[in-house]
Amino acid sequence: KAGVTQTPRYLIKTRGQQVTLSCSPISGHRSVSWYQQTPGQGLQFLFEYFSETQRNKGNFPGRFSGRQFSNSRSEMNVSTLELGDSALYLCASSLTTYSGANVLTFGAGSRLTVL
Amino acid sequence: AQSVAQPEDQVNVAEGNPLTVKCTYSVSGNPYLFWYVQYPNRGLQFLLKYITGDNLVKGSYGFEAEFNKSQTSFHLKKPSALVSDSALYFCAVRDMNTGFQKLVFGTGTRLLVSP
Repeated sequence: KAGVTQTPRYLIKTRGQQVTLSCSPISGHRSVSWYQQTPGQGLQFLFEYFSETQRNKGNFPGRFSGRQFSNSRSEMNVSTLELGDSALYLCASSLTTYSGANVLTFGAGSRLTVL
Repeated sequence: AQSVAQPEDQVNVAEGNPLTVKCTYSVSGNPYLFWYVQYPNRGLQFLLKYITGDNLVKGSYGFEAEFNKSQTSFHLKKPSALVSDSALYFCAVRDMNTGFQKLVFGTGTRLLVSP
């Protein structure tokens, strides 16, 4: 079955702009999480959505937001981009939010460069 | 707070030799532990997990990990390394306090397998 699909794979923006990233989870998976990966900070949790509701949020400013649609697809948005937002943004899906034993399946990521 | 530590930035091993990538954890309660691998310009691929049960967990691509509660460790092992195993390896723990789907990652260990 198809994996987690993230679009776009690469994008370049300038400071002050905003960006929207998209994630289509594995069919049947209802939980979608987002992570930011940078050389300096490593992998950091952004937020998790389940049943169109944000269940958990990491320690990021309000410029980072997301949403989930009824078909479980998710988008994340970053407004007023800063140079430090340059990163690989990874989406992960899992069956449900209610089990700690779930395996998170990750997409290939969207690499954002802010100039 | 839940955390994992990967004490080695890089591990070098010759092809055919056994490999070990180290991980120690700090959690309150029972740990849910995971290993992921990342190849260049790719997302994270799941290797194995420890939830409960046998201390030796077998995973994908011939990898296994040994859970040691007294030493709070979860080291990744493989009996015979391949050049194709060269990649970035992440240990992670489920943050059961703030949300089942949140993973807290270590800083990663780069594995280089020489021919």
